[in-house]
Amino acid sequence: GENVEQHPSTLSVQEGDSAVIKCTYSDSASNYFPWYKQELGKRPQLIIDIRSNVGEKKDQRIAVTLNKTAKHFSLHITETQPEDSAVYFCAAIADTGRRALTFGSGTRLQVQP
Amino acid sequence: NAGVTQTPKFQVLKTGQSMTLQCAQDMNHEYMSWYRQDPGMGLRLIHYSVGAGITDQGEVPNGYNVSRSTTEDFPLRLLSAAPSQTSVYFCASSYGQNEQYFGPGTRLTVT
Repeated sequence: GENVEQHPSTLSVQEGDSAVIKCTYSDSASNYFPWYKQELGKRPQLIIDIRSNVGEKKDQRIAVTLNKTAKHFSLHITETQPEDSAVYFCAAIADTGRRALTFGSGTRLQVQP
Repeated sequence: NAGVTQTPKFQVLKTGQSMTLQCAQDMNHEYMSWYRQDPGMGLRLIHYSVGAGITDQGEVPNGYNVSRSTTEDFPLRLLSAAPSQTSVYFCASSYGQNEQYFGPGTRLTVT
């Protein structure tokens, strides 16, 4: 089955700096890659996603890049703000085999004011 | 439109007891999944379903059963609770490979 590895496990940045979180996946059939943000005690919520036919996608301060050849994808947050502090999860899914998301282990992002 | 609902919010069980965690969605989503989240860890897939009458195992299925008799409901049964099943359980649903919506979670403690 799919295996998703996520790095780093913790990340501390100063407000206004950029943050980058990286994930690798093992199943070359994976074709949908979402990123979720989870605040303490709450449910995960989608912040951005990308499909395998696209190399990059942006939404305001958030962007995701995908390298299918290397099987890795990254989340980029620019101009970080204290409210960006949360745990971020990457995930992957294919349309064959196990048709459910496999999640990375998460990155705890702390934005220092 | 309530989205994905889960009951109960909190539950304490004794070792060996059984119970069912309820999950329902009103978005007519085909895909539904159950995950567990242990402190400081990611979401691990327990069981999933791609439609009514179809279920399959995830990464950590042992000790859990599921059924999907309707599109809306996807209950998770703990057969004989063990302390290792203490966790937060999330149900999620999606329309195919699109945004997955999570329920609010059930915090389960097994003593």
